[in-house]
Amino acid sequence: DTGVSQNPRHKITKRGQNVTFRCDPISEHNRLYWYRQTLGQGPEFLTYFQNEAQLEKSRLLSDRFSAERPKGSFSTLEIQRTEQGDSAMYLCASSRTGIHEQYFGPGTRLTVT
Amino acid sequence: DQQVKQNSPSLSVQEGRISILNCDYTNSMFDYFLWYKKYPAEGPTFLISISSIKDKNEDGRFTVFLNKSAKHLSLHIVPSQPGDSAVYFCAAPRRYGGSQGNLIFGKGTKLSVKP
Repeated sequence: DTGVSQNPRHKITKRGQNVTFRCDPISEHNRLYWYRQTLGQGPEFLTYFQNEAQLEKSRLLSDRFSAERPKGSFSTLEIQRTEQGDSAMYLCASSRTGIHEQYFGPGTRLTVT
Repeated sequence: DQQVKQNSPSLSVQEGRISILNCDYTNSMFDYFLWYKKYPAEGPTFLISISSIKDKNEDGRFTVFLNKSAKHLSLHIVPSQPGDSAVYFCAAPRRYGGSQGNLIFGKGTKLSVKP
């Protein structure tokens, strides 16, 4: 069990640019979640995958956001035409089906200038 | 609409004493609760959980108490250690309305344990 990993750990980008983050979940976990955390808040749900299927999206996930999980392994989260309001910590978590406990990666901190 | 509330942004405790972190929830459909600990620049780490069929769960120095009638839970840390200094989040899985268990978090309580 190597834990959930995320890359990059930090990303600074200019407004209007596209960014992509990667998450590698714990290998035997078939559920994968993306959350976003801003200062002074708890993590907020963005989207959820069961294996390769994206089964749920939050209303926070605007059209500029897209997520994939090809082959049910790693996942990517892309933000197109970034805005300053996208600056946040993006967290990935994974779990087994039927288990409530989710295990989080270290996060990717995005700063949009 | 904050369904999980942690009304104390911070708590300071002396080393060796008890730390009590509180959490309130508004949605009676929640049937499971989790506590996470978060250090700066790291992701949340799962600490302890409790099902609504129980009113207490204990793991070493950590005990979570659930009062369903009051829609309140608390995390007790005894004895508190400086390494416990972190932000603690209360969370509940959303398993209604077609949701698949994404966690709803409170805003967190920053615990400082002073030597």
